[in-house]
Order: sequence, then C-alpha cells, then structure tokens
Amino acid sequence: DTAVSQTPKYLVTQMGNDKSIKCEQNLGHDTMYWYKQDSKKFLKIMFSYNNKELIINETVPNRFSPKSPDKAHLNLHINSLELGDSAVYFCASSPRQGRNSPLHFGNGTRLTVT
Amino acid sequence: AQSVTQLGSHVSVSEGALVLLRCNYSSSVPPYLFWYVQYPNQGLQLLLKYTTGATLVKGINGFEAEFKKSETSFHLTKPSAHMSDAAEYFCAVSPPSDDYKLSFGAGTTVTVRA
Repeated sequence: DTAVSQTPKYLVTQMGNDKSIKCEQNLGHDTMYWYKQDSKKFLKIMFSYNNKELIINETVPNRFSPKSPDKAHLNLHINSLELGDSAVYFCASSPRQGRNSPLHFGNGTRLTVT
Repeated sequence: AQSVTQLGSHVSVSEGALVLLRCNYSSSVPPYLFWYVQYPNQGLQLLLKYTTGATLVKGINGFEAEFKKSETSFHLTKPSAHMSDAAEYFCAVSPPSDDYKLSFGAGTTVTVRA
C-alpha cells in the first residue's frame, strides 16, 4: 500500500560509475519530483515532471538525467558519479501542478559514493 | 528569490511541554506556507499548510501554526510534546509566482526528554 516507493533504499558505489534510482507512485498524481537532501539535511529540488513533461530543471549537472516513461514513474540516472553526489535522494509526487498542491514523499535513497 | 529561515537548528523539550518551532519567510507578497515532518529514515510528511483564509491552521498530530503577515512568520506549535514528536521539522514556502518550486528551510531537529 506504499504511496511513493523508491528503489533501492541504499546505494553504495565507486566514483565514475553510473547508477539509477527508480520511483513509482500509485496515487494517481500528475506531478513528480526529485529532491536532493545533503548531509546538513538541506533539501533542494532537482527536477519536476507533469504528465511526463519536464517542467522544472534546476541547476543540476547534466550527469543527472531524469526519465518519466509514464506519469506514475520518474527515474533518475546518474553518470560518472562523484564524491559530492553522496546524499539522500527523495522522490515526491503531487496531485497536480500548482503551489497549493502538497508533496507526498518516498522514503529516500541514500547514495554513498566512495 | 523566495527564502525561508528556521530559527534554531535544534530544539529540546520535555515530554508534556510546549513545542515551538520558528519559521520566517521573505516575500513582499504572502506565499503559501507549509510544515513538513521527517521521521528517521523516512520521507517528509505534510503536517499542515496555509494558503488563504483563516490564519490559524490546524494540522495532524496536534500541531498548529499561525500565519502572521506583519511578522512574515509561520511558527509551529504543539501544546504538549510527546516522545513520538522527536523528528526533523521543515518549513517550506511556495512563492506567488506559481513556478511550482517549493523552497525548504534548513530544518529543526526536535528531541523530547522523558
């Protein structure tokens, strides 16, 4: 009955590798997001998709590439991983675009780059 | 750019005591305001939100927050802390520009002493 689910929960990898994080929501929401939470717990939006269309693309290195095959899924692929990519990545969804639409978060993927 | 400041990165209260978490925003036009809670190893959950109308907003788990335009504040309170309230609390603002970007504060860690 998980609403927003991310896999994997933990990801440990070496510098230079390529990895993906998957996200699925079963809430029927139109909009999905990727947020990055750093070691100081600061949260910053990375990307947002609405009905599979990219609507927010923050200043993120182009090594990060989101993909939304359908509106229930938003995956994040990271190429050539760097030490600074270590963080917790949260997927979230909201019923629709708009500032009044609260976010529903997944439980996060803790990425450690060694 | 919209910003939100949470005063106090760490708050420690005794069980049964008042919980007060402070949040101030910077904007000439009132944004939409949110409080989220993050329990250990979990994603964020919405506690409450203010959009328009009544300035005192009640949320889940006995929390409430009051929007004060003159003070540009949206402080979160709970009259009596419970051990289960130990978590990280984030204030967030959604700007009036409707660009769908939610900006989060740096978070406040709440510990509850028995």
